[in-house]
Amino acid sequence: AQKITQTQPGMFVQEKEAVTLDCTYDTSDQSYGLFWYKQPSSGEMIFLIYQGSYDEQNATEGRYSLNFQKARKSANLVISASQLGDSAMYFCAMREGSFYNQGGKLIFGQGTELSVKP
Amino acid sequence: DTGVSQDPRHKITKRGQNVTFRCDPISEHNRLYWYRQTLGQGPEFLTYFQNEAQLEKSRLLSDRFSAERPKGSFSTLEIQRTEQGDSAMYLCASSPGGGPSSREQYFGPGTRLTVT
Repeated sequence: AQKITQTQPGMFVQEKEAVTLDCTYDTSDQSYGLFWYKQPSSGEMIFLIYQGSYDEQNATEGRYSLNFQKARKSANLVISASQLGDSAMYFCAMREGSFYNQGGKLIFGQGTELSVKP
Repeated sequence: DTGVSQDPRHKITKRGQNVTFRCDPISEHNRLYWYRQTLGQGPEFLTYFQNEAQLEKSRLLSDRFSAERPKGSFSTLEIQRTEQGDSAMYLCASSPGGGPSSREQYFGPGTRLTVT
């Protein structure tokens, strides 16, 4: 069965430093998508970055990059130059199969709470 | 640019009462999803619609839960005979129906339900 594992319940990082949030996944599908969402204390889920299983290059979006290691089934999020506003819960999620054929529902991990220290 | 909206933002109800939540997706998004998030956990998929058709329901969606999207625009999620275990944040998300821009889901602010 498909599963997302985030093993870091909480992480601390100094402002302006980089931080890596871990995510491993389990799926038997060849086609899937991996996402990272940020959830501040307000509760809204904010999309950060996406990686498709067939994408050959690691995804990047501004200060966010996704370290995709397909053979190890890992999709770690790297945040460079951390800011105080990055303090939030971060969720890794997977969409199994083709978006068109299988609806696109997301399976989420349990999240990592990131705290950025000034 | 109007995002996904949900109403109400908070709901406190007594056990055994019925509650209904509303979600308005981004206009022209034909896919709409409901998730439930309990404290300290990631969101869990409940159900999704393609236009007005409900195409998938999770086993989490017991008989007390019903969701509709009658005209393919807004959606409602009703919980009958609420139980304390229903206390959670209910999140709605929408996405366009096709094309590479449809990869991500756009989430609303959620409705926090407390059953006393």
